[in-house]
Amino acid sequence: KNQVEQSPQSLIILEGKNCTLQCNYTVSPFSNLRWYKQDTGRGPVSLTIMTFSENTKSNGRYTATLDADTKQSSLHITASQLSDSASYICVVRVASGTYKYIFGTGTRLKVLA
Amino acid sequence: GAVVSQHPSRVICKSGTSVKIECRSLDFQATTMFWYRQFPKQSLMLMATSNEGSKATYEQGVEKDKFLINHASLTLSTLTVTSAHPEDSSFYICSARGQGFGEKLFFGSGTQLSVL
Repeated sequence: KNQVEQSPQSLIILEGKNCTLQCNYTVSPFSNLRWYKQDTGRGPVSLTIMTFSENTKSNGRYTATLDADTKQSSLHITASQLSDSASYICVVRVASGTYKYIFGTGTRLKVLA
Repeated sequence: GAVVSQHPSRVICKSGTSVKIECRSLDFQATTMFWYRQFPKQSLMLMATSNEGSKATYEQGVEKDKFLINHASLTLSTLTVTSAHPEDSSFYICSARGQGFGEKLFFGSGTQLSVL
């Protein structure tokens, strides 16, 4: 069964600290993995999209890694800011003729001053 | 980047009424649109996928007669919740992919539906 699991479910950190969010997937066949940031009451916004051959991709203070062998990905946030408080969703696209995406349950991050 | 405009952002309606939610791709042609439902503190649940000019493909367990999806043009898709009931109260989000944007998905800002 295609699944995407994220950990932790929620996380609280102090402003300025770094944090790492985890995503494990059992999706086959794999096409790509993406991380989204979703503010409360808003639609998700794309942070990174990674294909099978990409190990690391950065977008400002966000750095995503992908290990296709172990089927794991991480999202590292550097020097967190209050505006980083949001849910972070890991999504894996299934390589098929149709556009099928498997959504993780998300990690809710709270950055405190 | 491309923009998907979704409205209304919030709607409150009486039980038994129908509610229409619109998603428009403002500066690109959305060849495929997706509709999701999201409950508090949970992730997005795909309801249906629609391609322009064809019938939507609904996920298992989603009532097609309850949630009517129309994708009549390359820039507009609508979701109509028919005869809404309190259990239909939820956050509904659309996303779109379009030609020239590769793998990118663009999400609307969501609609909070509250059925009294």
